[in-house]
Amino acid sequence: AQSVTQLDSHVSVSEGTPVLLRCNYSSSYSPSLFWYVQHPNKGLQLLLKYTSAATLVKGINGFEAEFKKSETSFHLTKPSAHMSDAAEYFCVVSDNRDDKIIFGKGTRLHILP
Amino acid sequence: SAVISQKPSRDICQRGTSLTIQCQVDSQVTMMFWYRQQPGQSLTLIATANQGSEATYESGFVIDKFPISRPNLTFSTLTVSNMSPEDSSIYLCSVVGGGYEAFFGQGTRLTVV
Repeated sequence: AQSVTQLDSHVSVSEGTPVLLRCNYSSSYSPSLFWYVQHPNKGLQLLLKYTSAATLVKGINGFEAEFKKSETSFHLTKPSAHMSDAAEYFCVVSDNRDDKIIFGKGTRLHILP
Repeated sequence: SAVISQKPSRDICQRGTSLTIQCQVDSQVTMMFWYRQQPGQSLTLIATANQGSEATYESGFVIDKFPISRPNLTFSTLTVSNMSPEDSSIYLCSVVGGGYEAFFGQGTRLTVV
């Protein structure tokens, strides 16, 4: 069975500084990993995905994530935060056998002016 | 990619009544997934709906409360039965694409009064 742990429920950074949202996963099979973003009262948007190709994955809006099998991590980063990045971010895992997708509890990103 | 039409988009219901949510996909898919997102929370998988067999429910969810139909490969319904205020949530249906990422319907915002 797969699971995902987002280590921080809230993260606050100043505009223009780096963003790090942490995610650890557990999967008994080769996982696919995703980051989704949800802006207030909006739907879910896929930021990026890892599906066993390059371990450093680039997504939309300047975000990227690195798959580290040895650390079972898939942390999301961005070099410079923008006010529009304020949202809820979900780390998601699928073990590709049954297409079941499991969401982490989410990290709310706050951007300080 | 997949386009999912979900309806109703929102509803306000009396406690003790039932609401059926419909989900239509623009392509044939083997499995469809139903999620619940309670206020301020992450997405929790309710059940997996397979065409031609009974849905598979996650721990904490039962068929009597959340009956699911899957009459063909492009359509599914989720019924929220005997509703109470605790059922007030956003309900989403989802399918998984060829790249393993999930596609979501717009969601149904349910308020039980």
